[in-house]
Amino acid sequence: QVQLVESGGGLVKPGGSLRLSCAASGFTFSDYQMNWIRQAPGKGLEWLSYISSSGNNMFYVDSVKGRFTISRDNAKNSLYLQMDSLRAEDTAVYYCARPRSIYYDDAFDMWGQGTKVTVSS
Amino acid sequence: DIQMTQSPSTLSASVGDRVIITCRASQSISSWLAWYQQKPGKAPKLLIYKASTLESGVPSRFSGSGSGTEFTLTISSLQPDDFATYYCQHYHSYPWTFGQGTKVEIK
Repeated sequence: QVQLVESGGGLVKPGGSLRLSCAASGFTFSDYQMNWIRQAPGKGLEWLSYISSSGNNMFYVDSVKGRFTISRDNAKNSLYLQMDSLRAEDTAVYYCARPRSIYYDDAFDMWGQGTKVTVSS
Repeated sequence: DIQMTQSPSTLSASVGDRVIITCRASQSISSWLAWYQQKPGKAPKLLIYKASTLESGVPSRFSGSGSGTEFTLTISSLQPDDFATYYCQHYHSYPWTFGQGTKVEIK
């Protein structure tokens, strides 16, 4: 069925690294731009990063710029988030999300279940 | 960056009540606004896109309005399944941002 499934979360020490994955199925992954969004415990949603359908264009929110890298492998129907220099404030549930449209920026109509990242010594 | 401000932060209401949540953008976003519903431990669910278009499968008691900087989400008759947290989000320009959320509680 049509779904996104995140993996790769866990406990990591401050300054450490983690790579999140998002496996897509049930739709033509290579047609869609993709995004990462996170939610700290008890807090609201924070958009983190965008990658174009081809993987040639990326955007980041300032709070993760230079530390996080978004990438994709269309042959594997997979989206990734490489997280380096992790800080306690990066502790959150991380979601991948797909927009409604393949043609233009749009609201997110498909979300994964989320993967939890805890940054603590 | 465009800031999104929701009000109220918390809302206490009863089943059958009409509920209105407001979202203000720090600059004009035209109609590039979405509303999501989130329940504890779950991913957000899209309710409204392009400010006023109901996502397929979403009950018609949900409606959205507004353009520019002022937007509202209205639930015409609150149902037990509607007690949740609601977020607005703009997708006018990067970085996309969400409002801080409005928790709808049982009165």
